[in-house]
Amino acid sequence: GAVVSQHPSRVICKSGTSVKIECRSLDFQATTMFWYRQFPKKSLMLMATSNEGSKATYEQGVEKDKFLINHASLTLSTLTVTSAHPEDSSFYICSASPRDRVRGYTFGSGTRLTVV
Amino acid sequence: TQLLEQSPQFLSIQEGENLTVYCNSSSVFSSLQWYRQEPGEGPVLLVTVVTGGEVKKLKRLTFQFGDARKDSSLHITAAQPGDTGLYLCAYRYSGAGSYQLTFGKGTKLSVIP
Repeated sequence: GAVVSQHPSRVICKSGTSVKIECRSLDFQATTMFWYRQFPKKSLMLMATSNEGSKATYEQGVEKDKFLINHASLTLSTLTVTSAHPEDSSFYICSASPRDRVRGYTFGSGTRLTVV
Repeated sequence: TQLLEQSPQFLSIQEGENLTVYCNSSSVFSSLQWYRQEPGEGPVLLVTVVTGGEVKKLKRLTFQFGDARKDSSLHITAAQPGDTGLYLCAYRYSGAGSYQLTFGKGTKLSVIP
């Protein structure tokens, strides 16, 4: 149980375009999902906490207008990288935990974004 | 935000060798988690340690939580190439109305056949 699906796994886009990444909890409901960013050979850095039905909470230094998060249902959160630039190229990972919080967090398989 | 220091940062060993990686902090934690991440994948939870002095075993992996709950170690016996990956320790903290995870910088392990 507790499977998180992330899509797409890889995406290449042109500078100035927007890219949407989806994170779905397949067999549980998640009122909270998390979005992380990971640079090569580095650890995961929390970008924002996505709350179902309310605005996301962004970590310090993360531009909320650039990284739009929508958590419209208990099983889906989306991260849209708007007006992407090469420096936005990174590995983006989402995670979620069942509402009972007893079980640990499950991570998606990540999205490799390359902006050219 | 409390800081988790992981060491070593990189480790390359031959198949069959033993190794230990560490996760240290000056702060006390109610629990710590260990994850393994393979290239191009998300992290996978290995274990959660909760009690000071606790030892948990997962096949050839032995996890220990320090008595003072400030540090943890992961020992791998007879490492296999399949153990290759980034090992991350993390703690949960309450923030923004939910529990969030903060990760250490990780130990990148390469096991050479």
